[in-house]
Amino acid sequence: EDQVTQSPEALRLQEGESSSLNCSYTVSGLRGLFWYRQDPGKGPEFLFTLYSAGEEKEKERLKATLTKKESFLHITAPKPEDSATYLCAVQALVQFNTDKLIFGTGTRLQVFP
Amino acid sequence: EADIYQTPRYLVIGTGKKITLECSQTMGHDKMYWYQQDPGMELHLIHYSYGVNSTEKGDLSSESTVSRIRTEHFPLTLESARPSHTSQYLCASSLQGNTEAFFGQGTRLTVV
Repeated sequence: EDQVTQSPEALRLQEGESSSLNCSYTVSGLRGLFWYRQDPGKGPEFLFTLYSAGEEKEKERLKATLTKKESFLHITAPKPEDSATYLCAVQALVQFNTDKLIFGTGTRLQVFP
Repeated sequence: EADIYQTPRYLVIGTGKKITLECSQTMGHDKMYWYQQDPGMELHLIHYSYGVNSTEKGDLSSESTVSRIRTEHFPLTLESARPSHTSQYLCASSLQGNTEAFFGQGTRLTVV
């Protein structure tokens, strides 16, 4: 069964304290892995898509990496405005026609000044 | 910023009432989706559409129905709301051949 597990569930960081969020996945052929940011009471905001092991993408203080079993979202020198829930989702090759995304439960990040 | 809009943002309604959640996008996307999200839980796909007159059920069984008469519009209807329907409903859209989905702000539904 296709599955996405994110850890930790919650993370508290001091401003400037770098860390990483983990997304482990089990899927019958990966078509793509997606990272989203979700602020309280709002819809998810797209961050990155990764397609193959070894791929990396960066945006400001965020960097996403992908291996055959997991993805990491590295946050370098975070600021309070980076506080949000970060969601990971995968799309399986067999789901290509439906574009169905399988989401994890997210990591709730809080960055304190 | 994504141009996809959901109304209302918040809705409190009594049991047995019929409700329609609106979703519109101005990006010309063919694919549209409805997800359901409970607090602290993952998003679950309940409906999707490839284009006009196309609707399919998602993984999570839902008593809601959808329609796609126009490309830009994908409303979700509950004929008779129940407390078990209390949740956040998120609408999303994407281009054909592109799985990057843009989400609306969501509708938080409470059925009392």
